[in-house]
Amino acid sequence: GQNIDQPTEMTATEGAIVQINCTYQTSGFNGLFWYQQHAGEAPTFLSYNVLDGLEEKGRFSSFLSRSKGYSYLLLKELQMKDSASYLCAVLDSNYQLIWGAGTKLIIKP
Amino acid sequence: GAVVSQHPSWVICKSGTSVKIECRSLDFQATTMFWYRQFPKQSLMLMATSNEGSKATYEQGVEKDKFLINHASLTLSTLTVTSAHPEDSSFYICSARDGDHSYEQYFGPGTRLTVT
Repeated sequence: GQNIDQPTEMTATEGAIVQINCTYQTSGFNGLFWYQQHAGEAPTFLSYNVLDGLEEKGRFSSFLSRSKGYSYLLLKELQMKDSASYLCAVLDSNYQLIWGAGTKLIIKP
Repeated sequence: GAVVSQHPSWVICKSGTSVKIECRSLDFQATTMFWYRQFPKQSLMLMATSNEGSKATYEQGVEKDKFLINHASLTLSTLTVTSAHPEDSSFYICSARDGDHSYEQYFGPGTRLTVT
């Protein structure tokens, strides 16, 4: 079966750094996406990794290791507006997105 | 960036009636569109995938006769919830993909359906 695991909830402090992990077991791999979703809103695209390594985009970075079936999203200089759910999704061999359950990130002042 | 609109953004209907939700890609041609449902505090659940001009592919457990999907053009897909019941109340989100250029899915803003 196909499976994507990420923590259900994490808490961090404003101004700090947080790393959200995602592990996956899928039938094939054509890339991994991270999306941000605020409560009551649709997901918005954050990053896409298809090759191993770190992709940096402002305060957000995403890392991928295909051999380990592992990715993380790193958020720096946390702001209160970063409180949201972060969804990890893998594009499988049929180019279908397999979604993780999401990680709810709570930012405290 | 690619923009996807959804209409209506929220709707309240009576049990037994049908509701149609529209999803449009505004500045690109969507070769594939996806319909998701999301219950409070839960993750996205893919309902069906549709390609323009062909029948939608429904996920296991999703009743195709209850959730009618029409992808009539490269910029429009509709989801009709037929004979709605209170348990159909949910947040319905569409996404669209321009498969000729990328596999990223662009999401609409969602439609909150409440069935009374």
